[in-house]
Amino acid sequence: EIVLTQSPGTLSLSPGERATLSCRASQSVSSSLTWYQQKPGQAPRLLIYGASTRATGIPDRFSGSGSGTDFTLAISRLEPEDFAVYYCQQYGTSPRTFGQGTKVEMK
Amino acid sequence: EVQVLDSGGGLVEPGRSLRLSCRASGFTFDDYAVSWFRQSPEKGLEWLGFMTSKASGGTTEYAASVKGRFTILRDDSKSIAHLQMGSLKTEDTGLYYCTRGHTVIAYWGQGTLVTVSS
Repeated sequence: EIVLTQSPGTLSLSPGERATLSCRASQSVSSSLTWYQQKPGQAPRLLIYGASTRATGIPDRFSGSGSGTDFTLAISRLEPEDFAVYYCQQYGTSPRTFGQGTKVEMK
Repeated sequence: EVQVLDSGGGLVEPGRSLRLSCRASGFTFDDYAVSWFRQSPEKGLEWLGFMTSKASGGTTEYAASVKGRFTILRDDSKSIAHLQMGSLKTEDTGLYYCTRGHTVIAYWGQGTLVTVSS
């Protein structure tokens, strides 16, 4: 099973600041990685797939990069609605696995 | 508009069975795989399994934690899928999501809560 480790666990930032979230895989997943955003009481929302492709309707302040075992989600300028929990997930092999999440909270 | 609607959750005793349903609309259900996930504070987001479209062989895969206890079913004529859960354990408690697809998941149901407790 591929283990995904996200860091940091919590990121305390102010609106307008840049957020950088990391996801590391225990073995290569090539580019088969997605990023999701989840807010309380809501289902996960797809942000990025294929490690770097924004999903439909996702603002360009969100960007993904990386391949193999090291991946990054960047939010260039945080908007109030971006404060949430972010998960990475690999879909290259079964079992599909998720990271434990990074909470982006308002400072 | 693509919609996925989960239902069927509730309180169930350990060892019993429960069937969740997933009704889809706004797209050609036959063309897509269906996946199930769950979320709990203890385990976070967890993939449970998927069934591909019949055109892709109707292949199923399951997580080790549910293999042999859970079965994914689909009725393309009604655009509905089910998660048949058996031999339920307390650790199966969580919010269960049905989704469209089995790789990049853009559409999720709203979740249905399953509580396994005596």
